[in-house]
Amino acid sequence: QSALTQPASVSGSPGQSITISCTGTSSDVGSYNLVSWYQQHPGKAPKLMIYEVSKRPSGVSNRFSGSKSGNTASLTISGLQAEDEADYYCCSYAGSSTVFGGGTKLTVL
Amino acid sequence: EVQLVESGGGLVQPGGSLRLSCAASGFTFSSYWMHWVRQAPGKGLVWVSRINSDGSSTSYADSVKGRFTISRDNAKNTLYLQMNSLRAEDTAVYYCARFPRGGYYDYWGQGTLVTVSS
Repeated sequence: QSALTQPASVSGSPGQSITISCTGTSSDVGSYNLVSWYQQHPGKAPKLMIYEVSKRPSGVSNRFSGSKSGNTASLTISGLQAEDEADYYCCSYAGSSTVFGGGTKLTVL
Repeated sequence: EVQLVESGGGLVQPGGSLRLSCAASGFTFSSYWMHWVRQAPGKGLVWVSRINSDGSSTSYADSVKGRFTISRDNAKNTLYLQMNSLRAEDTAVYYCARFPRGGYYDYWGQGTLVTVSS
């Protein structure tokens, strides 16, 4: 499968909101409500932030939200904080495998 | 507390082999599907392989099919990845991750670095 498409970078000021898009195909994002999002700080393992399109694991701030329309999923972070600066990856279930996006570097200005 | 601890990475020459291990604790290992995901230096996450809970079903990315073998020992709570015919492009940090049937990864190991170079 081809990687899901994410913008290489996004930025925002503290307190602002940003949205990261994740575009797939009818074989992955469009077929399943099984999109997840991961936050990764440098040198660290990825951390689950959103699963099943819009659900938040226990302990994840409600500033993080997810949605999906057709073949495109989105991650919105509201009230940006300095600690949100990281790489973000979307991921979709794709039958017998999963497929990740190329990653988006979030810079908090 | 759920823990996944990878080991077995290192420097290997092109064409060589390595076996990665992922020791699981803090949960009923035999109840979960498990995956390997890798990340080349400075690059994104890429799915490598998955195995179902009893080890009877496996799947691989095209890039590693025929060269890598995923397996598990539920008695030892350990996941494995046997990597043969290694290539420079296999250089990456390899993560094991727990995969609840909701199509996401809820726990990840810290990763183990594999470097393929002469």
